[in-house]
Amino acid sequence: AQTVTQSQPEMSVQEAETVTLSCTYDTSENNYYLFWYKQPPSRQMILVIRQEAYKQQNATENRFSVNFQKAAKSFSLKISDSQLGDTAMYFCARRTYSNYQLIWGAGTKLIIKP
Amino acid sequence: ETGVTQTPRHLVMGMTNKKSLKCEQHLGHNAMYWYKQSAKKPLELMFVYNFKEQTENNSVPSRFSPECPNSSHLFLHLHTLQPEDSALYLCASSQARQAEYEQYFGPGTRLTVT
Repeated sequence: AQTVTQSQPEMSVQEAETVTLSCTYDTSENNYYLFWYKQPPSRQMILVIRQEAYKQQNATENRFSVNFQKAAKSFSLKISDSQLGDTAMYFCARRTYSNYQLIWGAGTKLIIKP
Repeated sequence: ETGVTQTPRHLVMGMTNKKSLKCEQHLGHNAMYWYKQSAKKPLELMFVYNFKEQTENNSVPSRFSPECPNSSHLFLHLHTLQPEDSALYLCASSQARQAEYEQYFGPGTRLTVT
């Protein structure tokens, strides 16, 4: 089965600290997209960052960056200078060119403490 | 209204009731999706519509019936549901079905089946 695994059900850090959320996935394809989505307590899911598998350079969006290790099928999310508003569920997802479906991880609940 | 909207936000229904969930997107997208989100589980894709045509039905029970009258509106008709159908139902849309297009989510409908 094609799966996405997030091994950390819940994490908690102090405000301003750096936190890394892990994600591993399984695929037999060479071309695909990887995504991190954020779902705050208000429930609206929003895209945080995405990575094209054919690009070796890790994607960065302000305080959010990824560590994409294609051979290891690993796609971790690093949040620098964490803020209270970063408190949310974070979901990792994969999508291939051949199958349009997003395959989701079970999520990591991230709590930023003041 | 901007983005993806869903109504109602909360719904409580008995197992013999018939109700409908509504989704509307104001983004000019051509693909729309229904997901089921249960606690501590990956999001489950239920249905996909592309240019008003259903393209995916992930073995969803017939007590869930989707309808897509145009590219901006998506409905999920519910009848004779079971308690295990209680969940957050998310609607999403994307410019097209292909892998590189980001999905935009609505806030969801929290459904409780009694």
